[in-house]
Amino acid sequence: KNEVEQSPQNLTAQEGEFITINCSYSVGISALHWLQQHPGGGIVSLFMLSSGKKKHGRLIATINIQEKHSSLHITASHPRDSAVYICAARPQGAQKLVFGQGTRLTINP
Amino acid sequence: NAGVTQTPKFQVLKTGQSMTLQCAQDMNHNSMYWYRQDPGMGLRLIYYSASEGTTDKGEVPNGYNVSRLNKREFSLRLESAAPSQTSVYFCASSSQGAHGYTFGSGTRLTVV
Repeated sequence: KNEVEQSPQNLTAQEGEFITINCSYSVGISALHWLQQHPGGGIVSLFMLSSGKKKHGRLIATINIQEKHSSLHITASHPRDSAVYICAARPQGAQKLVFGQGTRLTINP
Repeated sequence: NAGVTQTPKFQVLKTGQSMTLQCAQDMNHNSMYWYRQDPGMGLRLIYYSASEGTTDKGEVPNGYNVSRLNKREFSLRLESAAPSQTSVYFCASSSQGAHGYTFGSGTRLTVV
């Protein structure tokens, strides 16, 4: 079992739908990152969370430390949101990240 | 713009050739990393440098060497390239602060 598990692995939705991607981790962490990678593109850091909730535009990330669970939400999804979203946990005392396998999101017009 | 700069963006090597991937960051981050990304495997850590003057092996270090030249630069060297090293390579840097991780744009390497 991976230390960081994401679900779903693949998600296809229609433009405008509310999207949720889930991430569960088994290690104690100091931070959790959500990353975005467009096809053939680089990796962009969306959020770094250690508690609570963060919002940036249509993206919202939440974390529940007790339950070792984080979610990434996208409101009013758009085809340009189509990308792979990667959850990555930073174990306590470490700078290295432990990555989930990613969620491939496709938003159809 | 501030960030992580990787060169080259694309490279084709013949088996047995050597090359160095360059990475530089201008955010005064202490830690730097080299990852490879393969289809279905996600990101895997090759080597990292927690601070200037230190380097450590990651999950998949075999066939690679690194140099932390100074605080800004962290290079990855393939001494004798093999087809199994065909991959996309990402450099990243990090700090403990709110800015978290920053990734370079990637190097697509093909070894034939």
